[in-house]
Amino acid sequence: GGIITQTPKFLIGQEGQKLTLKCQQNFNHDTMYWYRQDSGKGLRLIYYSITENDLQKGDLSEGYDASREKKSSFSLTVTSAQKNEMAVFLCASTDRGAETLYFGSGTRLTVL
Amino acid sequence: GEQVEQRPPHLSVREGDSAIIICTYTDSATAYFSWYKQEAGAGLQLLMSVLSNVDRKEEQGLTVLLNKKDKRLSLNLTAAHPGDSAVYFCAVRATSSGQKLVFGQGTILKVYL
Repeated sequence: GGIITQTPKFLIGQEGQKLTLKCQQNFNHDTMYWYRQDSGKGLRLIYYSITENDLQKGDLSEGYDASREKKSSFSLTVTSAQKNEMAVFLCASTDRGAETLYFGSGTRLTVL
Repeated sequence: GEQVEQRPPHLSVREGDSAIIICTYTDSATAYFSWYKQEAGAGLQLLMSVLSNVDRKEEQGLTVLLNKKDKRLSLNLTAAHPGDSAVYFCAVRATSSGQKLVFGQGTILKVYL
């Protein structure tokens, strides 16, 4: 089996701050995803990557950057945190051609 | 693009009763349907998935029904127990959407004694 590790678990930032969230997986999966989870809105795709150094925009990419420097890691940057923003950011991975997503336990973001 | 609506947003059932969650989708070319469970403080875990050629699948107290005519997917937890309390999401993939899953809004299920 494998595991997806997201760091940090909790992130508190200030308005306008640039914040980076990290995700590591040891499944050796090709594709990795970043989702934003807001209460009552389900999961919305921010960015995904089908291989090292690849980046694809999701439905919610504005205000975010992503980076996939190696196969096992995928980072997400909030370019300018919005005041009173609260959400959980979930990282996931899947193998090429497979359907099942494996999720990390999330980073909970609070912006003061 | 694909739109998914999930109902109800909150569901409270007594232990031993059944709990039914429904998702409707818009793209008739949707080929893959799944249900995920999210326990408190954790990520999502796949419960069950079906392809478009399957109308019904049962596994360990869970039943997934797919009605392609009405574009409706349901999850039935028969004889729910407190350990089933969690947030449940449907997720579907249309052939037109490449590798992207579209998630429902989630249902918070509470099973009480």
